[in-house]
Order: sequence, then structure tokens, then C-alpha cells
Amino acid sequence: NAGVTQTPKFQVLKTGQSMTLQCAQDMNHEYMSWYRQDPGMGLRLIHYSVGAGITDQGEVPNGYNVSRSTTEDFPLRLLSAAPSQTSVYFCASSYRQLNTEAFFGQGTRLTVV
Amino acid sequence: AQTVTQSQPEMSVQEAETVTLSCTYDTSESDYYLFWYKQPPSRQMILVIRQEAYKQQNATENRFSVNFQKAAKSFSLKISDSQLGDAAMYFCAYRSSNDMRFGAGTRLTVKP
Repeated sequence: NAGVTQTPKFQVLKTGQSMTLQCAQDMNHEYMSWYRQDPGMGLRLIHYSVGAGITDQGEVPNGYNVSRSTTEDFPLRLLSAAPSQTSVYFCASSYRQLNTEAFFGQGTRLTVV
Repeated sequence: AQTVTQSQPEMSVQEAETVTLSCTYDTSESDYYLFWYKQPPSRQMILVIRQEAYKQQNATENRFSVNFQKAAKSFSLKISDSQLGDAAMYFCAYRSSNDMRFGAGTRLTVKP
């Protein structure tokens, strides 16, 4: 059971570089989302998707893009990395029903220098 | 927008004792769920307990229980008979039809 697979686990970027964080789930979940975790701020929602072809902004979307071309994949793109984007990023997925548990990837620790 | 507030950045409990973690939320929606997640040092997110907004009865999962006060928009987590393995970050979460929001977290330390 793969669950939610998130890659890479660690990444160092230079300011201005771009990159894509990958997220894939094999549970046929409709709902997928990206969070960033910073000390003292918990998990903040970046973008989310309720199904293939549908995405929406969360609390902190600036500097990030997403797409959902398939049910399984939900990549997060950093367009031009900034030191303020240094964080731990989590991808999560769940069924659309409100009472269902969210499953999380292992997280990506991103450092922008 | 929905907000989730955890006012206790850190809490400490003696092993075998009981501790309560606080959470409040703000919403204008009527249909939602509330969750508590645990994050140990491994960074893995683990579901602890969930509560439906329509249910007045407080949810219970073994040593974990909640005190859900809908009118006050309060959702606290009580951990009974605390164990060393309970040491972790605990996040309160709110889920509606649109998205899922988390609080800032409470770091729980368990003293032997």
C-alpha cells in the first residue's frame, strides 16, 4: 500500500530557481491538498483540488502553482523560489466526504538559499 | 474564512496523568467535521479522533476523548493515562465542503 507518495524528501534551491514537488496517491481520493508547515504557524493550506481538472487557492497561494490533470497526481510548482518559501511541505489526500480521514505524505523539507 | 486557534504552544503532563489540549474555531457553516491529528518527530500525521458538528455526543477513542461545545466553537482533546508515546505535536483541524484548515499546534511533553 503506497498511500500518498511525496518526492523529494529534501531539497535545497537557490533564490530564483523553480522546481516541482511531486505528489501521487493510489487510493482514488477526490480531494488533494498542499500545506506548508512552519514553526508556530501549524499547517497552512496552499492549494487544494476536489477532483481532476479542478483546483482552488488556500490561505497562502502566492508563489505556487498547481494542476490536477489526473485523479492520482497533484504537483506543486514553485515558480521563482524565495527564502520565505523555506518550509516543510505536505501533500494530503482524502475522499470528498467531510468525515473521512486525510492521508499525508512524508513531507518535503525545502531550503531556499 | 474559517480559522482554527490553538492557544497553547506547549503543554506538559506527567506519565499516567490527564491533560487537555484546547482548540477553538470560527465558522459560519453548519456542516463540518473537526479532527485532532498527532505528529510525532517522524513528521508522520496520524489521525487521533474526529467529531461531526451535528452530533452532540462527544467522540471517544480509547484514552482520547473530546469536549465539543458547538455554541462556543470549542473542541478540546483530553488524553487520559498519558503515555510516553503520546509525546508529539497535536493539531486541531476543521474540515468543510471547501477545504481543511489546521491550528498552529500544541507540543505535548510527557514526563516519566
